[in-house]
Amino acid sequence: SQTIHQWPATLVQPVGSPLSLECTVEGTSNPNLYWYRQAAGRGLQLLFYSVGIGQISSEVPQNLSASRPQDRQFILSSKKLLLSDSGFYLCAWSASLDRGQETQYFGPGTRLLVL
Amino acid sequence: QQPVQSPQAVILREGEDAVINCSSSKALYSVHWYRQKHGEAPVFLMILLKGGEQKGHEKISASFNEKKQQSSLYLTASQLSYSGTYFCGVTGAGSYQLTFGKGTKLSVIP
Repeated sequence: SQTIHQWPATLVQPVGSPLSLECTVEGTSNPNLYWYRQAAGRGLQLLFYSVGIGQISSEVPQNLSASRPQDRQFILSSKKLLLSDSGFYLCAWSASLDRGQETQYFGPGTRLLVL
Repeated sequence: QQPVQSPQAVILREGEDAVINCSSSKALYSVHWYRQKHGEAPVFLMILLKGGEQKGHEKISASFNEKKQQSSLYLTASQLSYSGTYFCGVTGAGSYQLTFGKGTKLSVIP
């Protein structure tokens, strides 16, 4: 069965520091991968998605970036964190089926607090 | 464009029924429903594709009205475990992107 991992689970970082969040998927090949952010009490905002190694689409202009160095690994990064980057970061995967029909399955999330 | 969910919040007693609506101003290809408990990741409930089908999952079911660009989630005989925030996510044709509504907070009390 498929499993999605995220780490770290929680992170407290000072403003201006760098960030690296990692997401890995097991039990499937060539998944579509997604990064979402959820601010406290808010909905889910899609940040990036990837349909293959090295293929990244950005949905929201910001100081974050994403990379996919391996088929089942997705990394979210920042060179300098802002206070507004605080939130719950969720990675998700879906099978590569017809667009719009894939179910997205979420990882456990990383709770980031920028002080 | 973000779909609109209603109501924003609802409180039920165990055994009562609820309906959560999700409306979009754009043509929809699919609607995905998730439930998120406090501090946890969203959990997939069901997906509905263009065609107006209705799906069921235990005592939770949903419909997709293509003409109205609207989906409704039906929770019958609610249980305490149904508490959480329900999100609908929608896609247009040929899109990978799920655009989520702001969520509906459901609280079931004894």
